[in-house]
Amino acid sequence: AQKITQTQPGMFVQEKEAVTLDCTYDTSDQSYGLFWYKQPSSGEMIFLIYQGSYDEQNATEGRYSLNFQKARKSANLVISASQLGDSAMYFCAMRRLIQGAQKLVFGQGTRLTINP
Amino acid sequence: DTGVSQNPRHKITKRGQNVTFRCDPISEHNRLYWYRQTLGQGPEFLTYFQNEAQLEKSRLLSDRFSAERPKGSFSTLEIQRTEQGDSAMYLCASSLSPAVSSYEQYFGPGTRLTVT
Repeated sequence: AQKITQTQPGMFVQEKEAVTLDCTYDTSDQSYGLFWYKQPSSGEMIFLIYQGSYDEQNATEGRYSLNFQKARKSANLVISASQLGDSAMYFCAMRRLIQGAQKLVFGQGTRLTINP
Repeated sequence: DTGVSQNPRHKITKRGQNVTFRCDPISEHNRLYWYRQTLGQGPEFLTYFQNEAQLEKSRLLSDRFSAERPKGSFSTLEIQRTEQGDSAMYLCASSLSPAVSSYEQYFGPGTRLTVT
């Protein structure tokens, strides 16, 4: 069965430090994709970064990078130079293709708190 | 284009009543998804539309739930005879075809349902 595991319920980091949020996944699919979304207290899911299973290079988007280790089935999110506005819930998700649809399977999330 | 919108943002209802939520996707997106998110959990997939066709339904979607997308634009999600266990955030997302865009799903702000 397809599953996403996020083992860190909460993380506390000092402003300007880098932080790594862990994500491991389980799938029997050959082709899949991995996402990270941010959910502030307002509730909206904000897309951060995407990594395809066949992408050879780790994805980067500004301060966000995805440390993709396919053999270990891990897709950790690295946020460099953290800011107070980074405080939010962070969800790792895996894309499954079903009849052309990209169904997302989410982990339980990590609550990140940035301290000044 | 202002993104995915959902109405209402909050709904409080008594057990046994029917409720209906609306989602307006980004105008050129032909794919629409509904997810449910309970407190402290990641979103869970409910159903998916490609244009007006409902192509995938989760077993979470009991027979009290029905979703429509009559003209391939906005979608409605109706819950009949609500139960307290239906209390959750209902999220809508939309996307373009993976063949012409990235795999990103754009989420709306959600409708928070409270059943008393």
